Amino acid sequence: GQQVMQIPQYQHVQEGEDFTTYCNSSTTLSNIQWYKQRPGGHPVFLIQLVKSGEVKKQKRLTFQFGEAKKNSSLHITATQTTDVGTYFCAGRASGSRLTFGEGTQLTVNP
Amino acid sequence: DTAVSQTPKYLVTQMGNDKSIKCEQNLGHDTMYWYKQDSKKFLKIMFSYNNKELIINETVPNRFSPKSPDKAHLNLHINSLELGDSAVYFCASSPRGTSGGAHRHEQYFGPGTRLTVT
Repeated sequence: GQQVMQIPQYQHVQEGEDFTTYCNSSTTLSNIQWYKQRPGGHPVFLIQLVKSGEVKKQKRLTFQFGEAKKNSSLHITATQTTDVGTYFCAGRASGSRLTFGEGTQLTVNP
Repeated sequence: DTAVSQTPKYLVTQMGNDKSIKCEQNLGHDTMYWYKQDSKKFLKIMFSYNNKELIINETVPNRFSPKSPDKAHLNLHINSLELGDSAVYFCASSPRGTSGGAHRHEQYFGPGTRLTVT
């Protein structure tokens, strides 16, 4: 079945450093979504990417969808303490259900 | 005003008991889900309903039984609770079904129910 792998599982950074999490799928995806879960909170939808090679930005967050539509990344520039949380990718192949990656837990030291 | 609500927020119970978690969404979405999140933050889908019809039933013990009285509600009943059932359970809804072709099917999660089985 479809698998979505996400790395790293944990990332500790100093405030101001950049952060990247990577997502890889075993199959070609129709689209990929990204979610953020704050500590003690629930996952919140951030963005969806659909097109091959697509790049979208939300302030300091940059989302990319690979040319082959099998991988994606989320990059945060100059992290802040408010970026703390777990970031999940979730991919959907055609005719399949949404599958979540294992998540990357980000901690930011002030 | 809460889009997806769950009750209770916390549930502490003993092994062997039966408990239910309720979920309601006021977004008008057709599809609802139950997820289990363990201590390592892994999110695992358990069930999905589309317009009150079960469409996803992952490998979940049959002690877990979802019920959808209407498309705005999806409840989860758990029989004979075990220690391993301790987790956070999230309800979610999305505007489209889970078969392919849809362009917008982001998931809206409820606040979660933290279940502790002692």
